[in-house]
Amino acid sequence: DAKTTQPTSMDCAEGRAANLPCNHSTISGNEYVYWYRQIHSQGPQYIIHGLKNNETNEMASLIITEDRKSSTLILPHATLRDTAVYYCIVRPYNNNDMRFGAGTRLTVKP
Amino acid sequence: EAGVTQSPTHLIKTRGQQATLRCSPISGHTSVYWYQQALGLGLQFLLWYDEGEERNRGNFPPRFSGRQFPNYSSELNVNALELEDSALYLCASGSLQSVGAPDTQYFGPGTRLTVL
Repeated sequence: DAKTTQPTSMDCAEGRAANLPCNHSTISGNEYVYWYRQIHSQGPQYIIHGLKNNETNEMASLIITEDRKSSTLILPHATLRDTAVYYCIVRPYNNNDMRFGAGTRLTVKP
Repeated sequence: EAGVTQSPTHLIKTRGQQATLRCSPISGHTSVYWYQQALGLGLQFLLWYDEGEERNRGNFPPRFSGRQFPNYSSELNVNALELEDSALYLCASGSLQSVGAPDTQYFGPGTRLTVL
């Protein structure tokens, strides 16, 4: 499975967009990019996923570069409740377990 | 729609005992996954069940085992408990959204196991 690299921590002002980067330079053609977040001691929450195209849902947008070597998760208007650890995971289409890294600890500040 | 449920919320055991953790998947999901999250560590994949069969397991000793029932609920059993088994145990259920894509997993709230 492709490895991912994320910043250890980031801060964001409340109401501003939070842009969380993820590097996955060894990603292969059949691997998807998934994003989850985990608020302290709770179960991870699914956010969004994509293969090649940019994706948007009610929670966030996922921007994948054309070469697919990196992606950015965008929370358009961060709130204090978005403070969490965000995980970027790369999964092949036929792999049904997920390998979590250390993630990015996002702190949204008032 | 009800989410993934897990029981109990907290479980306290002593070394050498056995622990049983339970998980009910989202209705319609046939796959159940178990993960361990020890304090300060990331989530580690434990086991994957689908249609009653164990499909894959992570790098854990055989004293970690489980099963999936006909109604797709699942149990995780940990035998001969050790202090380092203290962790948050998370269950997820899977929904295959399209052919050729991995399933999207939805997590329960977890069971916190403390081994004294």
